[in-house]
Amino acid sequence: GENVEQHPSTLSVQEGDSAVIKCTYSDSASNYFPWYKQELGKGPQLIIDIRSNVGEKKDQRIAVTLNKTAKHFSLHITETQPEDSAVYFCAAMINQAGTALIFGKGTTLSVSS
Amino acid sequence: DSGVTQTPKHLITATGQRVTLRCSPRSGDLSVYWYQQSLDQGLQFLIQYYNGEERAKGNILERFSAQQFPDLHSELNLSSLELGDSALYFCASSPLSGAANEQFFGPGTRLTVL
Repeated sequence: GENVEQHPSTLSVQEGDSAVIKCTYSDSASNYFPWYKQELGKGPQLIIDIRSNVGEKKDQRIAVTLNKTAKHFSLHITETQPEDSAVYFCAAMINQAGTALIFGKGTTLSVSS
Repeated sequence: DSGVTQTPKHLITATGQRVTLRCSPRSGDLSVYWYQQSLDQGLQFLIQYYNGEERAKGNILERFSAQQFPDLHSELNLSSLELGDSALYFCASSPLSGAANEQFFGPGTRLTVL
């Protein structure tokens, strides 16, 4: 089955710096890759996603890149702010019935001002 | 606010007991997914229902079961509870099933088994 590895497990940056979180997946049939942000005491919140027919997607300060050949995808956050501090999860999904999201272990991002 | 609601927010119970967690999906969403989040296992998919029918099964124990009702709300039943069942349980919903649909998560139910 699918396996998703996420790195780093913790990341500390200064306000205004960029943050990059990387994930690799094992199943080449995966074609949907969402990113979730989870704040303390809350459920995961979908922040951006990318499908396999796209190499890059951007939404304001966040962007996701996908390299299907290497089977890895990354989340980029620019101009980080203290409110970006949270746990970020990547996930992968195979586009067929009977499948679900497989999550990475998460990255705790701390942005200090 | 994702539009997915879950009750109760917290649940404290004893080993051997049975509990029911409830989830109401976003308006119009037909698919409901249940996930378990623990410190050692991370976020793990348990089971999915689509329009009342079971569609996919993940790492769900035999002591756990779920159903989706005609009004599309779903319940996750956990029985013969063990200490290791203590975790956050999330429900997510999406409009359809199978295809890469966005899943929106509820706020979760924190289960503590003493």
